Amino acid sequence: EVQLLESGEGLVPPGGSLRLPCAASGYTFSTHAMSWVRQTPGKGLEWVSCISGSGGSTYYADSVKGRFTISRDNSKNTLYLQMNSLRAEDTAVYYCAKHVGNPSGPFDYWGQGTLVTVSS
Amino acid sequence: EMVMTQSPATLSVSPGERATLSCRASQTVSSNLAWYQQKPGQAPRLLIYGASTRATGIPARFSGSGSGTEFTLTISSLQSEDFAVYYCQQYNNWPRTFGQGTKVEIK
Repeated sequence: EVQLLESGEGLVPPGGSLRLPCAASGYTFSTHAMSWVRQTPGKGLEWVSCISGSGGSTYYADSVKGRFTISRDNSKNTLYLQMNSLRAEDTAVYYCAKHVGNPSGPFDYWGQGTLVTVSS
Repeated sequence: EMVMTQSPATLSVSPGERATLSCRASQTVSSNLAWYQQKPGQAPRLLIYGASTRATGIPARFSGSGSGTEFTLTISSLQSEDFAVYYCQQYNNWPRTFGQGTKVEIK
């Protein structure tokens, strides 16, 4: 059974940093691209970043480019999102999501989400 | 950025009735279109990909159609567990983008 488990939930002041891990199990982690998707009540679902199975290719939304870094450790079956220079508008529930195969595919499994709140 | 527009925002349907949800892309996405269902407090769940292929374990009452810029999700006979928010998402272009959602509520 595929399972994705995010952690790292927290309250961070504007300008602060936070790292979100996502532990994967139940499938061959290294053969599937992974993404982070966030959700706010006002803006709905927003794709944030994607990384290929090997980690060699990464993609970012313009809203986070230069501030967020996606990475993965295939030896630990874990995906990460390093978030720096956080802003109030980054407040959201962050989901990690598994792609159907390569980054070209949709998301067939999602984690339960972890809440990031950016506030002073 | 590709804009995905869903209509209607809210759809009121009685159990057992048919529901038809629409999604329009601002540019062609070919058939690279997915539909997700989300219930309160839960993560989205993949229903349809490739515009018309049901994901694993999805009941046959869910069907998708369309290509290019116009897409439809049909739920043939609504069950109680189908009342939720539905999102379309394109995976033809970067950045990946979602529609704003259609809430299917009990009439």
